[in-house]
Amino acid sequence: GAGVSQSPSNKVTEKGKDVELRCDPISGHTALYWYRQSLGQGLEFLIYFQGNSAPDKSGLPSDRFSAERTGGSVSTLTIQRTQQEDSAVYLCASRRGQVYGYTFGSGTRLTVV
Amino acid sequence: GEDVEQSLFLSVREGDSSVINCTYTDSSSTYLYWYKQEPGAGLQLLTYIFSNMDMKQDQRLTVLLNKKDKHLSLRIADTQTGDSAIYFCAEREEGGKLIFGQGTELSVKP
Repeated sequence: GAGVSQSPSNKVTEKGKDVELRCDPISGHTALYWYRQSLGQGLEFLIYFQGNSAPDKSGLPSDRFSAERTGGSVSTLTIQRTQQEDSAVYLCASRRGQVYGYTFGSGTRLTVV
Repeated sequence: GEDVEQSLFLSVREGDSSVINCTYTDSSSTYLYWYKQEPGAGLQLLTYIFSNMDMKQDQRLTVLLNKKDKHLSLRIADTQTGDSAIYFCAEREEGGKLIFGQGTELSVKP
């Protein structure tokens, strides 16, 4: 597609359940990023995939968070045993090469009740 | 660790110029970016500047970079009510990770 696509756009889940968030990057973009934006806050880096290299997981807040990128394209962010503090907008971005800017998706708004 | 700082709020009158400032700590940053986020919307890339440049102009937007002081600014000429949004400064680390500031909320009054 023309842009970065994220699904679902909204997700309400009960505390303790697992959730999966999906990101379809722009075709041909080698780098993929996940960020989290809590209400009224800036963007918190979570994880970064670059080609076939090992991902940079340094931003994942706990071991309940994990992400994978299959075939160098689609990525899934999984949050296990969700907590209320996980409520946020989860944003995905992709980048084509070294020079270009990062294109963000519209995000998934996660609400844990 | 690396840090990016911005003032949280800026209020201007329609037609005036707006200047949003940002400071960063990572001297090895390769690119610096400005993103715009309108209410309920995603992040829109406005412009970026390579770290060996001092200035970049794109229509109403002017980016100034003082690498010695690690200071970046975004000037919006002839600010319009449609420019009201949150503006994020971001630095790109050598490894490719983007570090964002907290965002500056620009309010444009008619």
